[in-house]
Amino acid sequence: AQSVTQLGSHVSVSEGALVLLRCNYSSSVPPYLFWYVQYPNQGLQLLLKYTSAATLVKGINGFEAEFKKSETSFHLTKPSAHMSDAAEYFCAVSDRPGGSYIPTFGRGTSLIVHP
Amino acid sequence: DVKVTQSSRYLVKRTGEKVFLECVQDMDHENMFWYRQDPGLGLRLIYFSYDVKMKEKGDIPEGYSVSREKKERFSLILESASTNQTSMYLCASLGTAHQPQHFGDGTRLSIL
Repeated sequence: AQSVTQLGSHVSVSEGALVLLRCNYSSSVPPYLFWYVQYPNQGLQLLLKYTSAATLVKGINGFEAEFKKSETSFHLTKPSAHMSDAAEYFCAVSDRPGGSYIPTFGRGTSLIVHP
Repeated sequence: DVKVTQSSRYLVKRTGEKVFLECVQDMDHENMFWYRQDPGLGLRLIYFSYDVKMKEKGDIPEGYSVSREKKERFSLILESASTNQTSMYLCASLGTAHQPQHFGDGTRLSIL
């Protein structure tokens, strides 16, 4: 069975500061990993995905995430936060063939950006 | 670009009513999902469908049913709405496991 843990339901940063949102997963087979962003009153949009091509994945809006198999982590980072980054962020995992293709989501992390 | 359209952004219903939430996708995806989203609980899977007329229960199916008569349309039904079903409902579609899901904008449902 797969599971996702997002550490911290809320993360607060100042504008221009580093953003780090943590995601740890468990999976019985090598996983597919995703980060989604949700702006207020909208659905989820894909930020980036890991599908084994490269461990460092670049996404939209300056975000990137690094897959670390030994730590079973897929943390999301951005060097410099912008006010427009304030949103809810979800990490998700789905297994490769042999496991469940149904994605499992973390509980989400709300990113708050202070001026 | 994939489009997932949910029929209503906001909906207000009364307890005991039968409620239909509709979702349509335009990418010929086999898989479609209904989630509910509540503060602090993230996304919880209600039902999913992997083909026309096929459905599987998710983590919280109680009080809900679904219908998939056509590949592009997946409906969520609240047979007798209750106040604890007040929530944000999100529909998603998925082509294959290595692809991301595509989400609608959500329906914010209030049961009075």
